[in-house]
Amino acid sequence: EDKVVQSPLSLVVHEGDTVTLNCSYEVTNFRSLLWYKQEKKAPTFLFMLTSSGIEKKSGRLSSILDKKELFSILNITATQTGDSAIYLCAVDGPSGTYKYIFGTGTRLKVLA
Amino acid sequence: NAGVTQTPKFQVLKTGQSMTLQCAQDMNHNSMYWYRQDPGMGLRLIYYSASEGTTDKGEVPNGYNVSRLNKREFSLRLESAAPSQTSVYFCASSPRTGADTQYFGPGTRLTVL
Repeated sequence: EDKVVQSPLSLVVHEGDTVTLNCSYEVTNFRSLLWYKQEKKAPTFLFMLTSSGIEKKSGRLSSILDKKELFSILNITATQTGDSAIYLCAVDGPSGTYKYIFGTGTRLKVLA
Repeated sequence: NAGVTQTPKFQVLKTGQSMTLQCAQDMNHNSMYWYRQDPGMGLRLIYYSASEGTTDKGEVPNGYNVSRLNKREFSLRLESAAPSQTSVYFCASSPRTGADTQYFGPGTRLTVL
């Protein structure tokens, strides 16, 4: 059965800390992995990863994919209270089905 | 450019009532999706439409029907609502089918009593 597992489930840090969020997957015919940030409403797109070892960066956020070990990490450096959110990982599922399989998310709280 | 819009934002139903959740996108995207989000369960795909005129079941389709009315609109219908369908429902769209970013609507919070 295809699945996506995120860890930790929740995390509390102080402003300025660096955090690493994990996403592991078991999906047939993997095509891409996506990271989203969800604050109060709709998830918003952060990164899409398709190739192993190539880091994607956006400001203080970065992400990398390991297709051999079947996982991805999302790093956030110098965290701010505005980073408090649920971070979702999704994997593009079996070819031809157009299904995205989401993990349960990591809830990050950044304290001032 | 409104992106993905959903109506209503909130809804309370009694068990057995029916309703339709509406979704529209103005980005000329081919694919559209309906998800539900429950605490501790993440987002689960209910139905999706790879392109206009086609729909397919996702992970949790039971109790739901969908219509891809045209390229812009994708509606989700609950024929006979049950308390287990209490959830937050998100519509999403993506430019292409597969391996592409999804853009989400603001969600509909549905409570079934």
